[in-house]
Amino acid sequence: LAKTTQPISMDSYEGQEVNITCSHNNIATNDYITWYQQFPSQGPRFIIQGYKTKVTNEVASLFIPADRKSSTLSLPRVSLSDTAVYYCLVGDMNSGNTPLVFGKGTRLSVIA
Amino acid sequence: SAVISQKPSRDICQRGTSLTIQCQVDSQVTMMFWYRQQPGQSLTLIATANQGSEATYESGFVIDKFPISRPNLTFSTLTVSNMSPEDSSIYLCSVVQGAGSTDTQYFGPGTRLTVL
Repeated sequence: LAKTTQPISMDSYEGQEVNITCSHNNIATNDYITWYQQFPSQGPRFIIQGYKTKVTNEVASLFIPADRKSSTLSLPRVSLSDTAVYYCLVGDMNSGNTPLVFGKGTRLSVIA
Repeated sequence: SAVISQKPSRDICQRGTSLTIQCQVDSQVTMMFWYRQQPGQSLTLIATANQGSEATYESGFVIDKFPISRPNLTFSTLTVSNMSPEDSSIYLCSVVQGAGSTDTQYFGPGTRLTVL
């Protein structure tokens, strides 16, 4: 399974756009990139998933360059409630048979 | 997305006892997984719960310690046996659900276990 590398932590002020970049140099052809958000004592919450270029939903955007060796999660205008740990994972989401393997994640702290 | 519930949401147990955690999904799913998250750590996969056959365990986890049942496509249980304080963790159930051409993995709310 492709391994991911993310910054351990990030700080941001309320109202700013936050971009969290994840490296996955060994991503396989069938791998998708998925991001989760986790609050303390809760299960990870699915944010966004993509394969290439750009994906946007009501919560975030995901930017994936052509070589797919990295990806960037963009959170527009963060608020205090966005303080959480964000995980970037890669895996074959076509078969759905292989569970995702979690790295350490990025702890985002939003400051008023 | 799949709606996943877990029971109990939390428990405090004495060492040497066992606890069974239930995971219920609102739709039939083929793949179900159990993860553990120790305090301050990331998630670690315990096993894949296979319907109609024995679970598949990851390195470092054994069936005698973490027996798993999967009687149907919407339900699974994980038992933490002969508990010690080192078993204090959040235990999470996870399922894979398809949407179009790709699948997505979803997680339950977790069961917070404290072993005294």
